[in-house]
Amino acid sequence: GQQLNQSPQSMFIQEGEDVSMNCTSSSIFNTWLWYKQDPGEGPVLLIALYKAGELTSNGRLTAQFGITRKDSFLNISASIPSDVGIYFCAGYNFNKFYFGSGTKLNVKP
Amino acid sequence: GAVVSQHPSWVICKSGTSVKIECRSLDFQATTMFWYRQFPKQSLMLMATSNEGSKATYEQGVEKDKFLINHASLTLSTLTVTSAHPEDSSFYICSARGLRGQVSYEQYFGPGTRLTVT
Repeated sequence: GQQLNQSPQSMFIQEGEDVSMNCTSSSIFNTWLWYKQDPGEGPVLLIALYKAGELTSNGRLTAQFGITRKDSFLNISASIPSDVGIYFCAGYNFNKFYFGSGTKLNVKP
Repeated sequence: GAVVSQHPSWVICKSGTSVKIECRSLDFQATTMFWYRQFPKQSLMLMATSNEGSKATYEQGVEKDKFLINHASLTLSTLTVTSAHPEDSSFYICSARGLRGQVSYEQYFGPGTRLTVT
């Protein structure tokens, strides 16, 4: 199957710092999505990207669809305690979504 | 964003019994619904994809006779875990994909169902 490599696996940062995480794949995707999952809940869609090179923001979050269509990154600026959670990237092809292994974000107040 | 509900949110059952989990898209029509399983501290594992009115497509290694999926309408899909065993204990999450304007690639997740088999 198509594999997504997501890094870093976990991050410990201070409140107010910026965060960056990324996903890479050996396969090309038509769509990249970023989700956040809180413990015991389903993932919540943060940003969806549809075109290579696209840069999209959602509040303090910014994500980009790589030019090669094989990668994407997510930036969070000025992190706050409620940003804590697990962030997943997902690539979409042929009616299937493939998920990265997740980045666990810890924010110290 | 689009809303997907799941019921029940948690269930405890005895080994050998069957459990049904419902997934509903509340404010849009879901042309496709997905069922995932998630183990603690791991990513989501796709179990099956179902399109309304047709049989579900199961991922390799997922027993279709054990995990029965029905997608009877554009707003409801059900997953039935038959003859559940303790190893079936997990967090089951559904998601739905439908049309929002011209965009059909967004996927929205339900809140998940925690299944514990004793």
